[in-house]
Amino acid sequence: DAKTTQPPSMDCAEGRAANLPCNHSTISGNEYVYWYRQIHSQGPQYIIHGLKNNETNEMASLIITEDRKSSTLILPHATLRDTAVYYCIVRVERGSGGSNYKLTFGKGTLLTVNP
Amino acid sequence: DTGVSQDPRHKITKRGQNVTFRCDPISEHNRLYWYRQTLGQGPEFLTYFQNEAQLEKSRLLSDRFSAERPKGSFSTLEIQRTEQGDSAMYLCASSLYRDTDTQYFGPGTRLTVL
Repeated sequence: DAKTTQPPSMDCAEGRAANLPCNHSTISGNEYVYWYRQIHSQGPQYIIHGLKNNETNEMASLIITEDRKSSTLILPHATLRDTAVYYCIVRVERGSGGSNYKLTFGKGTLLTVNP
Repeated sequence: DTGVSQDPRHKITKRGQNVTFRCDPISEHNRLYWYRQTLGQGPEFLTYFQNEAQLEKSRLLSDRFSAERPKGSFSTLEIQRTEQGDSAMYLCASSLYRDTDTQYFGPGTRLTVL
């Protein structure tokens, strides 16, 4: 799996958008970008994933640059409950013919949402 | 769909004792994964099953560790002769290996070895 680079920590004001960056400059054409988050003492929670198009769901939006070397996770209106460690992971998708089943986590970004 | 469940949520044991954790995956998910997370680190892969077959084990999984998924549903992770270095959060995840294979995690079991 390609290595990802994330800032160790970020702050965001409650109600504002939180934009979490991730660099994955060695990503391969068949690798997807996944985002998970982990609230203190809980298991990781799946947020969103994408290949090359921007994606949006009820939790967040994922913006992937055209060259796919970086991406941004956007939480449109951050709340105090969004305080967590956010992990950016790249992984080969099953449908692409790859078999890299496991997720390789880095240290992630600790997002602190302030009142 | 109640999500992935794990039992117990917390376990305190003395060094040298055996412990067993249980994971119940999301119904109909055919893949099940175990990860371990130590303080300040991201989760690390230990092993995974597709149905009842254990297809891969990490080098982190020493011979004191054994995992089973006897009927392709729930799974158990046993640690024999626990050591203080085994203290960690043990996480279970499941996925449906059909489409996106997105993994969904349980709440974890926190093990403390005294």
